[in-house]
Parts: sequence; C-alpha cells; structure tokens
Amino acid sequence: RKEVEQDPGPFNVPEGATVAFNCTYSNSASQSFFWYRQDCRKEPKLLMSVYSSGNEDGRFTAQLNRASQYISLLIRDSKLSDSATYLCVGRGGNDMRFGAGTRLTVKP
Amino acid sequence: NAGVTQTPKFQVLKTGQSMTLQCAQDMNHEYMSWYRQDPGMGLRLIHYSVGAGITDQGEVPNGYNVSRSTTEDFPLRLLSAAPSQTSVYFCASSYSSGGYVYTFGSGTRLTVV
Repeated sequence: RKEVEQDPGPFNVPEGATVAFNCTYSNSASQSFFWYRQDCRKEPKLLMSVYSSGNEDGRFTAQLNRASQYISLLIRDSKLSDSATYLCVGRGGNDMRFGAGTRLTVKP
Repeated sequence: NAGVTQTPKFQVLKTGQSMTLQCAQDMNHEYMSWYRQDPGMGLRLIHYSVGAGITDQGEVPNGYNVSRSTTEDFPLRLLSAAPSQTSVYFCASSYSSGGYVYTFGSGTRLTVV
C-alpha cells in the first residue's frame, strides 16, 4: 500500500465549479503535508502547505485531519488555468512521499 | 537564478548501457534528491543527499548510484540500463532536509530500449 493515496480522477468540471480532492496517508508519523501542482509534461510546483487548523490561499482551501489521516484541497470558482494534476505530499524525516496525483480538467 | 538545472532533457539508451543524469542548483541548497515518476505510481524517491559528501538511499535505489562532491551538483548514474528504468526523472532541492519548499528541475525523459 502506498503511503499517500489519492483518487486519480480525472475530475472534469465546468468553469466556476467548486471541486474537492481528498488524500489519505498511512504513516501516522508524517509531520507536514503539502499540495503540489503539476502541469502536463512539467515539473511539480508547490501550491500550498497544509496546516492542522486549515488554511486558505485565494480560491484554494486546504484541510488536514490527523485523526482520520486525510488531507483535502478545495478549489472554488474553478478557472481553465486550474487544469493540472494535483499531488498530495507528506513529509516525514528526510524525504517527501508523493501521491500519484489527481487530474483536474476545467472546461469552458 | 537558474534554480535547478537538469540535463539532458531527453535520452534513449540501449539495454546495458550506462549514463549519468546531471543535476545542478545555484541556490546553495543543502538538500538534494532524485525522483522517478511513472504513470499511476507518483514520484518515488531514488536517492537523496543532506549535504556535500552525504548520500542515502530512498524508496527505489536499485540500479542507481549517486555522489555529492559539491553542494551544487548531484549526478545520478544508471549503471546498466534496463527497460524498467524507462521513466521521467526529476531532481529536487531544498534549503534543508526540513525545508518545505522543493524546487524541481524540468525533468529528464529516459527511454531504455
């Protein structure tokens, strides 16, 4: 079983929709969590960190539930430019463990 | 700043050949790592380094060697290429092993035939 698991999607949503992704992790010792964004045939880039109290960055909201060991990402008012693969990441010790990613396509 | 530079961008190897994937960063980052990305598998850690002269194995180290003689460079060597090593390889760096922001290189697409 992978340490970090995500629904691969694809999620196909219209512009303006709200979409949510969930991610579960199996290593209870994981210390920090992040969402990375990866465009097609490009490198991953940090989207946002995930804090226990929940945090927002514009249209993006991240939540962490340590008791249930899951992380979520909510995107409001989806834009065409949000189309990408979203990677859930957990850090423990000296390395980061990546989920396989959830693919989002926002359509006009 | 150039960030993290990987070369080559594309490579085709024959089974049994060896080669070195180059990675260089100009941000004075202590921590560097190599990942491979395969469809449905996500990014998997191959090797990492917490500083010059220090390297360690990640999740999938077999068939790969690394060295870290300088802070800037972290090359990945394929000793005897196999078709199972066909993948996209990413190098990443961060300020420290506890650093939260990884900067990735643009990747090397390797095909082993």
